[in-house]
Amino acid sequence: DVKVTQSSRYLVKRTGEKVFLECVQDMDHENMFWYRQDPGLGLRLIYFSYDVKMKEKGDIPEGYSVSREKKERFSLILESASTNQTSMYLCASWGGWDTEAFFGQGTRLTVV
Amino acid sequence: DQQVKQNSPSLSVQEGRISILNCDYTNSMFDYFLWYKKYPAEGPTFLISISSIKDKNEDGRFTVFLNKSAKHLSLHIVPSQPGDSAVYFCAANTDKLIFGTGTRLQVFP
Repeated sequence: DVKVTQSSRYLVKRTGEKVFLECVQDMDHENMFWYRQDPGLGLRLIYFSYDVKMKEKGDIPEGYSVSREKKERFSLILESASTNQTSMYLCASWGGWDTEAFFGQGTRLTVV
Repeated sequence: DQQVKQNSPSLSVQEGRISILNCDYTNSMFDYFLWYKKYPAEGPTFLISISSIKDKNEDGRFTVFLNKSAKHLSLHIVPSQPGDSAVYFCAANTDKLIFGTGTRLQVFP
């Protein structure tokens, strides 16, 4: 059974804190993604990675960074959390063209 | 610039009837499309896909239709069941996955 695991289901952080969201996949996929989901805006791509140590900006990278030191792990970092980063964060792992992506269970982050 | 669009934010259907969810895209180079279903507080799960070499793909109660000339795809659910109530996202597969804004389907008894 394939798995994408996000480190937390729910997080509450204070404004200005540095926040780490971790994602691990067991499918040996090259590609991993971070999205955020907000009402009426769908799934918006923050960052993605094609390979270890590779990263590409998505549509809304401002305020975020990522790290991919190992193939199975893709971390999203909020350098200084702000209230407008309160959202549902979703990690996905993808084997490539013409295949489905697998998602983690999501992290509901609240910044107060 | 929204490359994948779902213009209906919500849809309400009676149990047993057909649900039709629509999706439009702008880039004629897109050649593989997917539908995902998402319940609250969970990650999206894959439902069905279609390649541009086909115009229809079926899997049980779910059928996806692709009209390349209109750059339009639709997901049909027949018969609809209360457990189908969720948010549905369509996505296009390029070098990454591009998602639409989603349609919230509610199936009532």
